[in-house]
Amino acid sequence: ILNVEQSPQSLHVQEGDSTNFTCSFPSSNFYALHWYRWETAKSPEALFVMTLNGDEKKKGRISATLNTKEGYSYLYIKGSQPEDSATYLCAFPDLLYNQGGKLIFGQGTELSVKP
Amino acid sequence: ETGVTQSPTHLIKTRGQQVTLRCSSQSGHNTVSWYQQALGQGPQFIFQYYREEENGRGNFPPRFSGLQFPNYSSELNVNALELDDSALYLCASSLRDRVHEQYFGPGTRLTVT
Repeated sequence: ILNVEQSPQSLHVQEGDSTNFTCSFPSSNFYALHWYRWETAKSPEALFVMTLNGDEKKKGRISATLNTKEGYSYLYIKGSQPEDSATYLCAFPDLLYNQGGKLIFGQGTELSVKP
Repeated sequence: ETGVTQSPTHLIKTRGQQVTLRCSSQSGHNTVSWYQQALGQGPQFIFQYYREEENGRGNFPPRFSGLQFPNYSSELNVNALELDDSALYLCASSLRDRVHEQYFGPGTRLTVT
């Protein structure tokens, strides 16, 4: 059974703080790693698709890195703003099942940014 | 480009009843996946539909069933509802050749009393 874990479960920071959280995934049969941002009552929004070991992707103040050999990805937010408050999910396509159409999700990191 | 939509937003049902949840795919997407998110957990894969047929199933009992229509929209049906079925149900659409790149709807919150 594939296991994807995220830490911490929740994070409370002040506006302007920089923060980071972790997604751990199986290092074998790696194909891709997805990060989603999910605001309450909205659809999960795709942030990044990471595919290559050493990948680093950036979108505004948010960036992500990938280490496929050790099975982890970090998501960084620089200078957090209240609008960054959301749950951040990572998802790992299970290649041995349905050609990767089955996403295995972590339980998410809930970020709260106080003004 | 229209995103993934789901209806209804919220639903309250009684144990033993049946429920149907609906999903419209993002324009051009031919594959639909359904996930269940219970409180405190990440979304769990229920099943996936492609060309109107079930194309993969997670660890859910047969009382969870689905349909996909020629316009790629989909339904999730749950029979004999149990209290543990209370959850957020997410639908995601994708292209078949990029099936892991999934775009999600906002979900349907089902409460079983």
